[in-house]
Amino acid sequence: QKEVEQDPGPLSVPEGAIVSLNCTYSNSAFQYFMWYRQYSRKGPELLMYTYSSGNKEDGRFTAQVDKSSKYISLFIRDSQPSDSATYLCAPSSGSARQLTFGSGTQLTVLP
Amino acid sequence: NAGVTQTPKFQVLKTGQSMTLQCAQDMNHNSMYWYRQDPGMGLRLIYYSASEGTTDKGEVPNGYNVSRLNKREFSLRLESAAPSQTSVYFCASSVGYGYTFGSGTRLTVV
Repeated sequence: QKEVEQDPGPLSVPEGAIVSLNCTYSNSAFQYFMWYRQYSRKGPELLMYTYSSGNKEDGRFTAQVDKSSKYISLFIRDSQPSDSATYLCAPSSGSARQLTFGSGTQLTVLP
Repeated sequence: NAGVTQTPKFQVLKTGQSMTLQCAQDMNHNSMYWYRQDPGMGLRLIYYSASEGTTDKGEVPNGYNVSRLNKREFSLRLESAAPSQTSVYFCASSVGYGYTFGSGTRLTVV
């Protein structure tokens, strides 16, 4: 079993839809939870960062962590074609600041 | 605002050949990393360097070596390339949990 599981998609939604992207993890030591966005043929870029359980909102994006069920979510409101990318969750225990990446979910937002 | 620069962007090698992937960052970050990205596998850590002069193995180090030349530069060497090393390689540097990635090197071993 992988330490971080993420549905690879692909996920295709119409412009303006609410998107829900999810990951599950098995390591109870994970305390920090990152979401990275990766456009085609580019390197990943940090999108959101949360610590422990709870919600964090940044514009149209909301990151949610439920440590009791080991479940991580990223919500995108009013999705735009420019949101079309692969989204990777990346939790960390904080040890040596190494991230464990999910395999990524490919999202396409159709105009 | 160069960030993390990787060279080359593309490379085709024959089995058994060697090559070095170069990475440089201009953000004064202490930590640097090498990842490989394969379809369905996500990003897997090959080696990392927490500071100048130190390197440690990651999840998939076999067949690779690294050198942290100075604070800016972290190179990855394939001594004898194998088809299983066909992948996209990303270098990253970090301060805290904010990793900055380069644009990647697409390597094909035939």
